[in-house]
Amino acid sequence: ILNVEQSPQSLHVQEGDSTNFTCSFPSSNFYALHWYRWETAKSPEALFVMTLNGDEKKKGRISATLNTKEGYSYLYIKGSQPEDSATYLCAFISGNQFYFGTGTSLTVIP
Amino acid sequence: DVKVTQSSRYLVKRTGEKVFLECVQDMDHENMFWYRQDPGLGLRLIYFSYDVKMKEKGDIPEGYSVSREKKERFSLILESASTNQTSMYLCASSSGPIFGQYFGPGTRLTVL
Repeated sequence: ILNVEQSPQSLHVQEGDSTNFTCSFPSSNFYALHWYRWETAKSPEALFVMTLNGDEKKKGRISATLNTKEGYSYLYIKGSQPEDSATYLCAFISGNQFYFGTGTSLTVIP
Repeated sequence: DVKVTQSSRYLVKRTGEKVFLECVQDMDHENMFWYRQDPGLGLRLIYFSYDVKMKEKGDIPEGYSVSREKKERFSLILESASTNQTSMYLCASSSGPIFGQYFGPGTRLTVL
């Protein structure tokens, strides 16, 4: 079982603040990294799939970077809004196995 | 829209019962997955399948089996349910590891 760590575990920010969180994973046998947003009472939804070292992805106010050599990915949210409140999960894919982190719970206070 | 459906949202079973959790996807995806989600432990992969009649063990396959007779349907079976299998079970499907997974709504199973 591989270790995928996310930090912080939870985060409270004011509306309009920018924030970021980290996903750490093993730097060997990397295949892909996924980011998901999981809102309460809904199913997780894919945000980004990243495969190449140095990858940067962006969707609206949310962006992500990937460093496979040192084994981390950052997720950034610019100008947080209350609708961004959710748990953000990363998943490390190695071979044909998926390893999820425990998530970062974000609460955006209006 | 991709749709992944699960047979029940809530299920209550007794210890020792055989339990079937069904998952159906409508996007012709090759890959299907079963996870369980427990507080503080995140999503843990139980089994996955990359083709009909094919299955692979995930991190925590003990106490579970799976069946994939048709491409769109992936079943999780608890042969003899135990209280430590009380959990939220999520099914997902995808076209492959470089594509995001689509998740079902989850089944909250309680074993008494």
